[in-house]
Amino acid sequence: QKEVEQNSGPLSVPEGAIASLNCTYSDRGSQSFFWYRQYSGKSPELIMFIYSNGDKEDGRFTAQLNKASQYVSLLIRDSQPSDSATYLCAGSYGNNRLAFGKGNQVVVIP
Amino acid sequence: AAGVIQSPRHLIKEKRETATLKCYPIPRHDTVYWYQQGPGQDPQFLISFYEKMQSDKGSIPDRFSAQQFSDYHSELNMSSLELGDSALYFCASSLAGAIADTQYFGPGTRLTVL
Repeated sequence: QKEVEQNSGPLSVPEGAIASLNCTYSDRGSQSFFWYRQYSGKSPELIMFIYSNGDKEDGRFTAQLNKASQYVSLLIRDSQPSDSATYLCAGSYGNNRLAFGKGNQVVVIP
Repeated sequence: AAGVIQSPRHLIKEKRETATLKCYPIPRHDTVYWYQQGPGQDPQFLISFYEKMQSDKGSIPDRFSAQQFSDYHSELNMSSLELGDSALYFCASSLAGAIADTQYFGPGTRLTVL
């Protein structure tokens, strides 16, 4: 079993709508969680990190962490075509190595 | 702002050859991580270094070795290359003690083994 799971398939959202992404994690020892955006053939680009229970907002992005449920989510408001990418959820384990989920592909339709 | 630098960006090798990938972390960052991402896969952790000492080891084949130098740059050495080693190799860096020890990724090296 992967330490971080992202099970949703590709997500298509109309431009201007809200995209909602979720991931779960299996090890309560992980303290910090990250959302990275990755365009095809490019490197992961950090969007947000969160380590406290609750919500964290940064511009159009809101991350949520629920440690009791071992659940992390990302909301993208006012989705733009440039948001079309794969979104990777990651948790830090051990000496800060990242364990990634398989990613969710988001397609924003103009 | 300066980012992580990786070289070369593209590398083509034959089976059983060797390859060396280089990573230059963000200035003042003291920790370097290496990840391998196969086609359609998520990045897999290989190895990390803090202050020139190996700090963690993941699914890195015995044919691979790595080190971090006094100027904090790191090199990943890959020997007896196999077709399955074809992948994107990312280096990331962080500053120990910074909030969440956030890792920033370089542009990657695309290795193709023929």
